[in-house]
Amino acid sequence: DVVMTQTPVSLSVSLGGQVSISCRSSQSLVHNNGNTYLSWYLQKPGQSPQLLIYKVSNRFSGISDRFSGSGSGTDFTLKISRVEPDDLGVYYCGQGTQYPFTFGSGTKLEIK
Amino acid sequence: VQLVESGGGLVQPGKSLKLSCSASGFTFSSYGMHWIRQAPGKGLDWVAYISSSSGTVYADAVKGRFTISRDNAKNTLYLQLNSLKSEDTAIYYCARWAISRVMDAWGQGASVTVSS
Repeated sequence: DVVMTQTPVSLSVSLGGQVSISCRSSQSLVHNNGNTYLSWYLQKPGQSPQLLIYKVSNRFSGISDRFSGSGSGTDFTLKISRVEPDDLGVYYCGQGTQYPFTFGSGTKLEIK
Repeated sequence: VQLVESGGGLVQPGKSLKLSCSASGFTFSSYGMHWIRQAPGKGLDWVAYISSSSGTVYADAVKGRFTISRDNAKNTLYLQLNSLKSEDTAIYYCARWAISRVMDAWGQGASVTVSS
């Protein structure tokens, strides 16, 4: 199974600041078709997860350009700029390249 | 797009439960669907997948105990949970599988508690 390792476990940021979350996979996430199926989700308190980023760097419909994804192979990053109060919650990376689909353990974002 | 789970509850170890996920706002029959669970205070744990043509894949932890199925006429996804264990206690989410191999829509979740 592909193990997804997220760091840090938690972080605290001031409003308007910028944060980066790292996600590393135990195997390359490059699919046989050449695509890399790494996505990012945000679970706000008391809610179900919502999709932010897919295929490493593509923002999902309606997602602010304050969110950006990058990386390749086994090393990926989510950056959030100009942090707003509504950004708080737990961020998960997930891979859809191979079964079983796996997620990182999550990064909790708190607002100072 | 809307996904609404139902059927959760409190069940004794070794018993069974069936979850449903009612889909609307899209052509249900054209999409693969997943079940993902989240134990209390824990992260996301993928459970099972069913393709648009009803091919299935399971996580090792539930293989042989859980069955994912779908009824396209009713726009409904199911998860039959048998031989339940305390470690199956979780919120169970259904999610749509997009062509970009990502879960792009999630339900609000159904809570399953396995306890005597």
